[in-house]
Amino acid sequence: DVKVTQSSRYLVKRTGEKVFLECVQDMDHENMFWYRQDPGLGLRLIYFSYDVKMKEKGDIPEGYSVSREKKERFSLILESASTNQTSMYLCASSLRDTPAYEQYFGPGTRLTVT
Amino acid sequence: AQRVTQPEKLLSVFKGAPVELKCNYSYSGSPELFWYVQYSRQRLQLLLRHISRESIKGFTADLNKGETSFHLKKPFAQEEDSAMYYCALSVYSGGGADGLTFGKGTHLIIQP
Repeated sequence: DVKVTQSSRYLVKRTGEKVFLECVQDMDHENMFWYRQDPGLGLRLIYFSYDVKMKEKGDIPEGYSVSREKKERFSLILESASTNQTSMYLCASSLRDTPAYEQYFGPGTRLTVT
Repeated sequence: AQRVTQPEKLLSVFKGAPVELKCNYSYSGSPELFWYVQYSRQRLQLLLRHISRESIKGFTADLNKGETSFHLKKPFAQEEDSAMYYCALSVYSGGGADGLTFGKGTHLIIQP
């Protein structure tokens, strides 16, 4: 059974802090994704990675960066957190040669920036 | 760029009534379409995909290329169907992962 875990379920940070959201998957998946989920806006892709040290911008990359130093781990970084980054963040992973529908999602991290 | 539209933010129906959650998309090629569901306090999970033409938990969805729609239907709603439903579109480039484009979601409430 695929497991995608995220380091925190709830996180509260102050404006201007540097924030790290960690995601780990245990199924040797090549592809990993970060989304944010907001009421009325649904899910939006921030960044994705299809290999170690590779990254691609999604629809809303501004204010975020990512790191993929190991295959199983994909980190989302908020360089200087702002209140408009308060959201639910979802990590997902999938095998390389499968289309996006085979993504497995983590439980999410609810980030509040005060 | 592709786009997915779910026109209803909230849909409330009575138990036993038919359910239809609307989804329209815009993309010039041949997309793959999916429905995802998120029950209260649970993770997002895939409900069904148009390629497989399967029925999951009594739900079906038919891709209508002429109308660019992928509506989700169930003939008799059950209380446990209450959840957030997302329609999603994938354009697989073949060179790597490019994620999914999601609609904004429809909150389905089944009243007893």
